[in-house]
Amino acid sequence: AQKITQTQPGMFVQEKEAVTLDCTYDTSDQSYGLFWYKQPSSGEMIFLIYQGSYDEQNATEGRYSLNFQKARKSANLVISASQLGDSAMYFCAMREPSNTGNQFYFGTGTSLTVIP
Amino acid sequence: GAVVSQHPSRVICKSGTSVKIECRSLDFQATTMFWYRQFPKQSLMLMATSNEGSKATYEQGVEKDKFLINHASLTLSTLTVTSAHPEDSSFYICSARDAGDSRILSGANVLTFGAGSRLTVL
Repeated sequence: AQKITQTQPGMFVQEKEAVTLDCTYDTSDQSYGLFWYKQPSSGEMIFLIYQGSYDEQNATEGRYSLNFQKARKSANLVISASQLGDSAMYFCAMREPSNTGNQFYFGTGTSLTVIP
Repeated sequence: GAVVSQHPSRVICKSGTSVKIECRSLDFQATTMFWYRQFPKQSLMLMATSNEGSKATYEQGVEKDKFLINHASLTLSTLTVTSAHPEDSSFYICSARDAGDSRILSGANVLTFGAGSRLTVL
């Protein structure tokens, strides 16, 4: 089974509107971490937000918030007040422990386009 | 904040030659670095985990002799694509984990990524 599933290959949002990027994960570990990264056309990966499996409150970082629903194993990213510069690929990732330390798994990504 | 420098950002080489890509943590020590490969419009594929002072741990399906990884110091890991062929053309990205990042205390364990290296093999 896929560790991280992002079902939206492409999304469009009007500038200044909010958008939700979906992410579901699969793990049997109790301790894990969930991340969102932004990848602009330049290729670099930019860390956006982190949610620990034991965190009871949803993580927020500026315009980014993570809608963490543990029972559903979902970790959707919400971007409020979209800006043109938000157009990029967005990857959901999960860290879970392994014999060699921590293992990271990435989703297939969602391409977000912000329309003026 | 933590910075990871990756060099070169772009390289074109002839088939059969070897190419080395460097990944440096500029302001922190990285006992662990990760190497990924990304095909156009696809996700990152973890190739190997590089541990300072020991052999890299390769993911299933990744040829160890083809993709040589060396992590000789706490700030430098290198990926050498040996006898490159056109099918090796891809975008290679490294990431590093800062053992001193205070966010680790909360379990964040955030990775810092390099800017990536685009390899084109003719």
